[in-house]
Formats: sequence, structure tokens, C-alpha cells
Amino acid sequence: EAGVVQSPRYKIIEKKQPVAFWCNPISGHNTLYWYRQNLGQGPELLIRYENEEAVDDSQLPKDRFSAERLKGVDSTLKIQPAELGDSAVYLCASSPRLGGRNTDTQYFGPGTRLTVL
Amino acid sequence: KQEVTQIPAALSVPEGENLVLNCSFTDSAIYNLQWFRQDPGKGLTSLLLIQSSQREQTSGRLNASLDKSSGRSTLYIAASQPGDSATYLCAVTFYNQGGKLIFGQGTELSVKP
Repeated sequence: EAGVVQSPRYKIIEKKQPVAFWCNPISGHNTLYWYRQNLGQGPELLIRYENEEAVDDSQLPKDRFSAERLKGVDSTLKIQPAELGDSAVYLCASSPRLGGRNTDTQYFGPGTRLTVL
Repeated sequence: KQEVTQIPAALSVPEGENLVLNCSFTDSAIYNLQWFRQDPGKGLTSLLLIQSSQREQTSGRLNASLDKSSGRSTLYIAASQPGDSATYLCAVTFYNQGGKLIFGQGTELSVKP
């Protein structure tokens, strides 16, 4: 079974440029998460989708970040414009079931390492 | 604020040694606690998942314990090997957080041959 796929794996851009990350979750997984991991820290949730609905985006900086999950499968996370402080690893994860009592393991992709110069 | 803390931040041990990694959390109202492994440049791999009703879980040389009342978990690694070198992350799913994982900062483990 294929795992969570993310692309690109690495991205280097200059500040004020836009950037987009793509995630394909494990087939059949209804819940999708985007996390940001700063160097030396644990991941922090940016947004959670249940199917195509964003049910928790409280940590997403909405002035410059946006995300979508059309048709409840693939997802794209965008930053426009990027700032120096956005340099981090962006991780996508998925889990099978829905709901606030979700106790399933989350399966993580390899991440996209973003460097903003 | 619901927080997860891991100590130490880094640990270096000789091969063959048994070791313990620590995780503490601020709220006992949890659904579960997970231990993950992260290799450099890679994503996270789930090692053990302990539901709130459980006290421990074991997988091979790994044993994780959970004490909700004290807000603590430990990950015990027996007979460590150089291949165990990685960063180990503890993550908690608290009530009323919709399945969101709250991660600790991680412990970077180095096992020397």
C-alpha cells in the first residue's frame, strides 16, 4: 500500500514569492492534516480536513496561507507571499476515520523542506 | 494551555545500553498518546499508540508506558543499536481537540557503536 505522498521534497524561494505544496493521502483516508515543523521542534497542526471540509484551521495564518482539498482526496497548501520565518518542513498526514474522537494513528508523508531566502 | 514536554532534548549512549525517554503532558483528559520516530529528512513513523484506557504497549525492543494521573509517559528501548539513532517524538490527543496531535519537542538519540 502506498503511503502519503508529498511534493516537492525541497523548495528554495526568495521572500515575497509564492509557493505551493501538494499532498496525496493514503487511499480511503478521510481525514487529512497539514503540520509545520520548525527546526528542533515537534510538528504543529496548521489545518485539518474531514473529506473536503476544513474543520480546524485555527492555527493557519490566514493572511498568507491557504489550503484546499478538492473532492476530498488530494490537498494543496499555499503560501503567498512567503516570509523568512516560513522556512520549515511542511508535513502532511492522513488517518482513516472522521470525527473528534478519532483515535487512529496518523500516517505521515516525508514532508517538504522549504527554505525562504 | 495543553502542552507536551520531552526530556532530555538529546541523548547519547553506547550500543547495547537500555534507555528511557520521558514525556510529560499538562492535562490528563486524553484520548491517546503516541510515540513517533523521525529520521533526518524523513517523515514520522508511528512506533506505539497507547489508548487512554491502557497502561502500556510493547513492540519488539520498545515498551511505552502511560500514567495519566501524573501526566507522564516513558519509552523504554532495550539493548539499543546504532540503527535506533533518530529523533523520538511524543504526541498526545487531548479531549476536545478533534484528533489534533500535540507534539513534544523530541529527543534526539544517538547510539554509538
